[in-house]
Amino acid sequence: DGGITQSPKYLFRKEGQNVTLSCEQNLNHDAMYWYRQDPGQGLRLIYYSQIVNDFQKGDIAEGYSVSREKKESFPLTVTSAQKNPTAFYLCASSALEEEGNTGELFFGEGSRLTVL
Amino acid sequence: LAKTTQPISMDSYEGQEVNITCSHNNIATNDYITWYQQFPSQGPRFIIQGYKTKVTNEVASLFIPADRKSSTLSLPRVSLSDTAVYYCLVGDWGSARQLTFGSGTQLTVLP
Repeated sequence: DGGITQSPKYLFRKEGQNVTLSCEQNLNHDAMYWYRQDPGQGLRLIYYSQIVNDFQKGDIAEGYSVSREKKESFPLTVTSAQKNPTAFYLCASSALEEEGNTGELFFGEGSRLTVL
Repeated sequence: LAKTTQPISMDSYEGQEVNITCSHNNIATNDYITWYQQFPSQGPRFIIQGYKTKVTNEVASLFIPADRKSSTLSLPRVSLSDTAVYYCLVGDWGSARQLTFGSGTQLTVLP
């Protein structure tokens, strides 16, 4: 089955530690995204990438870093510089507009990060 | 960026038709309107997308007036399993940065 796999589903971190959230897709999509969701809130864009070895900051990139070394992988690192990292993190992918589609976002099941 | 405004919450009863309206006054020429459904602790799921007039699929209809400054998601004969948060998303698919999610509408379907 094609889809997006995020891991781990739950993660606990002590203050001052960096953690990396994994996101893998086998949909052959060029674009990948990371969103953050706080309780009762909508989704806010952290980073996105439209092509391998290139990525752009979203609205709330401070305290986060990403890499896009392979088309199918887009890991997110939550660094110690992120002051309030406890949240639900969602990874998504989409085919680009020029590939003749709606640009529908396909989401993973999310990773819930809790800082102890 | 096209900012969207939706009602925070709505209640309905099983079997009724539900209409959720989204306002997007500064929608751009290249922007499409897309609706997503999200259950707790899951990623959002695509429901329907449109550019103008009316679009219908097997689960919903999307009504977009000529000025495109608003859109209405229509869910026919809702069931308890339709209880979820519904997001209206307006953006140009050429740029991920412009994919702005609003705060969403919590729909609660009552028996």
